[in-house]
Amino acid sequence: GAGVSQSPSNKVTEKGKDVELRCDPISGHTALYWYRQSLGQGLEFLIYFQGNSAPDKSGLPSDRFSAERTGGSVSTLTIQRTQQEDSAVYLCASSLRTGLTEAFFGQGTRLTVV
Amino acid sequence: KNEVEQSPQNLTAQEGEFITINCSYSVGISALHWLQQHPGGGIVSLFMLSSGKKKHGRLIATINIQEKHSSLHITASHPRDSAVYICAVSQIQGAQKLVFGQGTRLTINP
Repeated sequence: GAGVSQSPSNKVTEKGKDVELRCDPISGHTALYWYRQSLGQGLEFLIYFQGNSAPDKSGLPSDRFSAERTGGSVSTLTIQRTQQEDSAVYLCASSLRTGLTEAFFGQGTRLTVV
Repeated sequence: KNEVEQSPQNLTAQEGEFITINCSYSVGISALHWLQQHPGGGIVSLFMLSSGKKKHGRLIATINIQEKHSSLHITASHPRDSAVYICAVSQIQGAQKLVFGQGTRLTINP
């Protein structure tokens, strides 16, 4: 596809279960970002990839959160032992490179932990 | 104090009105972004600017680097413009990750 694709679009999981969220960036985009938007809150940065490496993981809220990117393309955000406070919309964005380039956002994954 | 502040938080106007949303920031930036988020929808990038002014259709974005302030204007507003408008900045330091304002919820009534 032409845009950033995220899957699933919605995920309901039980507290304590692990979840994987997927982001497929625009082809050729080397920079990939994960953000989170909690109910009633603004957007917050989680992690950033340049190629397959993650120079900035400063936004990950706890060690239950991890992310990887393979082949400079698809990225997976994994949340282990989910908690109710993890409920949020997780957004992925990609850009051609870091620097003064436009960011393109996916539709997000709405995660609900029950 | 947030690094990016938007005002107003909520704005309701009648169709046809001229709309202004303001954004102030306190950090050094390489670029400022205006984003649009429709209810239940994803985020669309409207503008990315580092100086001056940009125009796209009925939307105009300006930035004053010295004053650390940007405005988003909508001329001849329409109900389909109803959305949350988010200001975000790419910091000079920090791998260009975006720091977001809280958003402005705009409602245009017919």
